[in-house]
Amino acid sequence: GAVVSQHPSWVICKSGTSVKIECRSLDFQATTMFWYRQFPKQSLMLMATSNEGSKATYEQGVEKDKFLINHASLTLSTLTVTSAHPEDSSFYICSASGTGGALSNQPQHFGDGTRLSIL
Amino acid sequence: DAKTTQPPSMDCAEGRAANLPCNHSTISGNEYVYWYRQIHSQGPQYIIHGLKNNETNEMASLIITEDRKSSTLILPHATLRDTAVYYCIVRVRGGSGNTGKLIFGQGTTLQVKP
Repeated sequence: GAVVSQHPSWVICKSGTSVKIECRSLDFQATTMFWYRQFPKQSLMLMATSNEGSKATYEQGVEKDKFLINHASLTLSTLTVTSAHPEDSSFYICSASGTGGALSNQPQHFGDGTRLSIL
Repeated sequence: DAKTTQPPSMDCAEGRAANLPCNHSTISGNEYVYWYRQIHSQGPQYIIHGLKNNETNEMASLIITEDRKSSTLILPHATLRDTAVYYCIVRVRGGSGNTGKLIFGQGTTLQVKP
């Protein structure tokens, strides 16, 4: 149980385009999901907390107008990288908690990530 | 900022136990210790977590010192597939304004050798 799926697994696109990444909890409902970014040979950096039915909470230094997050249902959160540029190329990973959600000691489970390359 | 300190790298012989240490000297009473690992180009995989008692599951054992200022993750019989970056994270239980988010440090790169 507690499977989190991300789509697409990798994407290459031209500079200036917008890219949408989906994160789904397949066998549980997630009121809270998290989005991370990871650059080569670095650790994961939390970007934002996605809350179902309300606005996302962004970490300091993360541009909310650049990285649009929508959490319209209990099983789906999307991250849209708007007007992407080469410096946005990175590995984007989402996570979600199972029963009890983030407001419990249940572990977060991660998707397999989306590798984004902007040319 | 991460609240844990881990050695940057460790080696372990295949078939032997891998003992990965973690210091969390500023841990609070309501913070859990979580362990995740990340194999190259994949999302992190949950391993185990605990509050103050030692824990064991099918993947590993977690030993937490009595003062809770440090812990050790034990992989009893390491295999080549256990080669990964291992992250020790302290996480506040959600509620009271906390989201239960995870803050990753640099982790320990474990290399299991034949």
